[in-house]
Amino acid sequence: GENVEQHPSTLSVQEGDSAVIKCTYSDSASNYFPWYKQELGKRPQLIIDIRSNVGEKKDQRIAVTLNKTAKHFSLHITETQPEDSAVYFCAASKGNDYKLSFGAGTTVTVRA
Amino acid sequence: GAVVSQHPSWVICKSGTSVKIECRSLDFQATTMFWYRQFPKQSLMLMATSNEGSKATYEQGVEKDKFLINHASLTLSTLTVTSAHPEDSSFYICSAPDRVETQYFGPGTRLLVL
Repeated sequence: GENVEQHPSTLSVQEGDSAVIKCTYSDSASNYFPWYKQELGKRPQLIIDIRSNVGEKKDQRIAVTLNKTAKHFSLHITETQPEDSAVYFCAASKGNDYKLSFGAGTTVTVRA
Repeated sequence: GAVVSQHPSWVICKSGTSVKIECRSLDFQATTMFWYRQFPKQSLMLMATSNEGSKATYEQGVEKDKFLINHASLTLSTLTVTSAHPEDSSFYICSAPDRVETQYFGPGTRLLVL
């Protein structure tokens, strides 16, 4: 099955700096890559996703890049704010069955 | 985005009892829903895929007789934890994909088995 690895496991950044989280996947058939933000005790919230037919997608301070050849994708958060502090999960799906395989998560702390 | 609800949000039960958790898609129909379990400071682990009108498919290592899933309608899936034990204490979350594959998660159910 699909194996998604996520790094780093923890990330501490100064407010205003950028944060980058990287994920790799094993199944070349995967074609959908969402990123979720989960605050303590809450549900995961979709923040951005990318499909395999594009290499980059941006939504305000958040961007995701995808390298299909290398089988890795990254989340970029610019101008970080304290409210960006949360656990971020990457995931991958082949699309035909909608099953998501999740990375282990990255705990992001934005220092004021 | 679409809305998925879960009920109850919290449940405390005695060891040996059964607990039912409901997952509803409120503004869209979902022929497929997913059930996850999340232990503290860990990732979401897929337990099973709930299929409307047919049997659920379980991930390796998940006991189908312990975690009963019923997908009775296009908007409702239920997970029943049978004969719950303390090691079943966890955060259970459901999700449902919309027509363009975007998955929306329910708010989760925190189960504590005493």
